[in-house]
Amino acid sequence: EAQVTQNPRYLITVTGKKLTVTCSQNMNHEYMSWYRQDPGLGLRQIYYSMNVEVTDKGDVPEGYKVSRKEKRNFPLILESPSPNQTSLYFCASSARGGTSGTIVRYEQYFGPGTRLTVT
Amino acid sequence: AQTVTQSQPEMSVQEAETVTLSCTYDTSESDYYLFWYKQPPSRQMILVIRQEAYKQQNATENRFSVNFQKAAKSFSLKISDSQLGDAAMYFCAYRRYTGNQFYFGTGTSLTVIP
Repeated sequence: EAQVTQNPRYLITVTGKKLTVTCSQNMNHEYMSWYRQDPGLGLRQIYYSMNVEVTDKGDVPEGYKVSRKEKRNFPLILESPSPNQTSLYFCASSARGGTSGTIVRYEQYFGPGTRLTVT
Repeated sequence: AQTVTQSQPEMSVQEAETVTLSCTYDTSESDYYLFWYKQPPSRQMILVIRQEAYKQQNATENRFSVNFQKAAKSFSLKISDSQLGDAAMYFCAYRRYTGNQFYFGTGTSLTVIP
């Protein structure tokens, strides 16, 4: 089954305690992203990756790190979490866009989300 | 950066009726992709419909259809024969033609009244 998995699904932690949220996809997608969802703000892209070892900042990258050492995995790292990082986080993957003459599904496939609370 | 605007934070519809959710976006690009995603209470993001900007024909998926007005930069979603299971938050999203940058609207919460 094609899917994006995230772990953990729920996490409560304290300010300053480093944490990692894992993300894995089994669709051989080149592109992966991390989002945070906050009430009234929709989804905002934190970081994205277009290939192994290729990552770039999205709209809200401060306080986050990512790495892409393998095509299927794209972990999100919070080195020193703060309460303003309390949010719902989504990992997503998609096929490379801009390909003409072939049928490619360009939409993103999302993981189930990780509810993070930082106290 | 591109911006996506959903001006209706909340909408409601009677079961079996039709409702239209609006979305506008701002871009200087000529090629791009547009999507509507549904987020039910489970929080899972589910693709509803997709539209390529280079296609003039409006996309349709069963009871869901879009009205894509490229010149007006408008991308509304029409849900026909609304069902209780359609109740959810709906997000409009823009994807650049190349690259991996997506932009989401702030969402419209749809209530379906029995």
